[in-house]
Amino acid sequence: DAGVIQSPRHEVTEMGQEVTLRCKPISGHDYLFWYRQTMMRGLELLIYFNNNVPIDDSGMPEDRFSAKMPNASFSTLKIQPSEPRDSAVYFCASSFLGWGYTFGSGTRLTVV
Amino acid sequence: ELKVEQNPLFLSMQEGKNYTIYCNYSTTSDRLYWYRQDPGKSLESLFVLLSNGAVKQEGRLMASLDTKARLSTLHITAAVHDLSATYFCAVDPNTDKLIFGTGTRLQVFP
Repeated sequence: DAGVIQSPRHEVTEMGQEVTLRCKPISGHDYLFWYRQTMMRGLELLIYFNNNVPIDDSGMPEDRFSAKMPNASFSTLKIQPSEPRDSAVYFCASSFLGWGYTFGSGTRLTVV
Repeated sequence: ELKVEQNPLFLSMQEGKNYTIYCNYSTTSDRLYWYRQDPGKSLESLFVLLSNGAVKQEGRLMASLDTKARLSTLHITAAVHDLSATYFCAVDPNTDKLIFGTGTRLQVFP
């Protein structure tokens, strides 16, 4: 199994641009999570899905953030428009029945 | 709102010494996880603790859980440089999502 796959690994964009982060969970996993990691705030849960349905998006910081999971093998996290304070490492994770969380390699986002 | 607190936040220790990292959480939970993160890397699962009194060991690391005290510990025995990393505990508040602690950055020096 290739694990949780995220792309891109690094993204540098200008303020105001749209950014899309992508995640492919482990096959057969029914939960998918998006986390953001910063020095100041640590690891924050942004949103999670169960069977492709968003369950809790209370961690999404603003309306500029949106996430979708159109099928069991793909999810996106979109920021539009991006701002410098969105600079962080974004992790995707998946689990089966809420057990055994596996994290992707992360996307390091820099907004200049 | 669930709060997960770790201490210390930073730990510098000499090789060969023992030390304990503490993880306190504020609500009932059946599952507690410990993760390791190397600089610039992802999170690697170390332990899953599922019940009161659970103890798990892997090499020089041993984790335990006291659900009544809402406390987990990660004990390091005879530290070596390779253990230098940031360690996170994470709690599942019975909702199938993980809430992470603040992390403990461990540096082991000769």
